[in-house]
Amino acid sequence: EVQLVESGGGLVHPGGSLRLSCAASGFTFSFYWMSWVRQAPGKGLEWVATIKQDGSEKYYVDSVKGRFTISRDNAKNSLFLQMNSLRVEDTAVYYCARDDDTWGYWGQGSLVTVSS
Amino acid sequence: EIVLTQSPGTLSLSPGERATLSCRASQSVDSNYFAWYQQKPGQAPRLLIYGASSRATGIPDRFSGSGSGTDFTLTITRLEPEDFAVYYCQHYRYSPYAFGQGTRLEIK
Repeated sequence: EVQLVESGGGLVHPGGSLRLSCAASGFTFSFYWMSWVRQAPGKGLEWVATIKQDGSEKYYVDSVKGRFTISRDNAKNSLFLQMNSLRVEDTAVYYCARDDDTWGYWGQGSLVTVSS
Repeated sequence: EIVLTQSPGTLSLSPGERATLSCRASQSVDSNYFAWYQQKPGQAPRLLIYGASSRATGIPDRFSGSGSGTDFTLTITRLEPEDFAVYYCQHYRYSPYAFGQGTRLEIK
């Protein structure tokens, strides 16, 4: 069974940093692109970042470029999102998703709250 | 950058009725990489349709997707109580991926 489990969310002050993790199981992690998607409270879904199987290609939404870094450890079946210089508007539930032909697998989400 | 616009913003219908949700792209998208999701409060999005018209595993046949180019439609025939939720469209062929802003399907 495919499982994606996010962790690392929490409360952080504006300007602070946080690192999200996504533990993958039930499939060969190194075979797939992976993505992060977020959802601000009461708002819609927003794609954040995507990484290729070997980490050689990474793409970001403009609003996080230069502040967020997506990475992965295929040996540990893990996806990461390093978030620096956090802003109040980054407050959201962050989901990891398997970026394949169907986008059928998502984690349950991890809440990041940026507030003073 | 492709922008997806969903309509209507809110759809009020009764169980048993038919729902038609629309998603329009600002430029032509590859229908092989077009999806629809359902989301209920406190839950992750659930894939309904991929490739514009293929039902995901376990999705009832009352859900169907159609369209190509810039205009896509999600149809739900014979609404069930559990179908009332928010629905999103998505394209995922090339970065930046995009989601529509969502259509809220509510009980009339």
